[in-house]
Amino acid sequence: DIVLTQSPLSLPVTPGEPASISCRSSQSLLHSTGNNFLDWYLHKPGQSPQLLIYLGSNRASGVPDRFSGSGSGTDFTLRISRVEAEDVGVYYCMQALQPLYTFGQGTKLEIQ
Amino acid sequence: EVQLVQSGAEVKKPGESLKISCKGSGYRFTSYWIGWVRLMPGKGLEWMGIIYPGDSDTRYSPSFQGHVTISADKSISTAYLQWSSLKASDTAMYYCARLLGITSFDYWGQGTLVTVSS
Repeated sequence: DIVLTQSPLSLPVTPGEPASISCRSSQSLLHSTGNNFLDWYLHKPGQSPQLLIYLGSNRASGVPDRFSGSGSGTDFTLRISRVEAEDVGVYYCMQALQPLYTFGQGTKLEIQ
Repeated sequence: EVQLVQSGAEVKKPGESLKISCKGSGYRFTSYWIGWVRLMPGKGLEWMGIIYPGDSDTRYSPSFQGHVTISADKSISTAYLQWSSLKASDTAMYYCARLLGITSFDYWGQGTLVTVSS
């Protein structure tokens, strides 16, 4: 099975400052189509998880442009250009290359 | 507007059975996979399985195979997650979500909290 390792697991950030989260995969997530089968999700407190980034670098509908995804193969990064208070929650990467989807452990972003 | 509306919170005793639901609206229910995701207290998201309501093709995570059953009734645009014998360790929030293509969960239900306690 593919294992996703996120870092850091805890991310205290000052509003207005940038933030980044790394997701490393035990196997390449590059599909034969040329797409990386890696998504990013945000689970805000008291809400359902929401899709932020799909196929490695595509922002989902309604997601602010301060969120961006990059990377290919086994190394991926989610960046927030300027963190806002509403961005608190747990961020997960998820691979969909194999039929057995797996999530990373989650990174808890908090405002300091 | 795409919506997934899940059934309400449940409190059950160990050994009891349970079936929770997820009703889709605002899109062609039979044309998109629906997945189930577990969130245990203090833990991370775990993918349980998916079903294609169009033909009821179902795939399970090995971690959940044999422990839960995923089904769907396309006539009422509803997917289900069921247990025949609950355990205390099944206490969790359960989310259904629609799969965009085969790679991304683009719409999520509001979650169903299942509490199993004697």
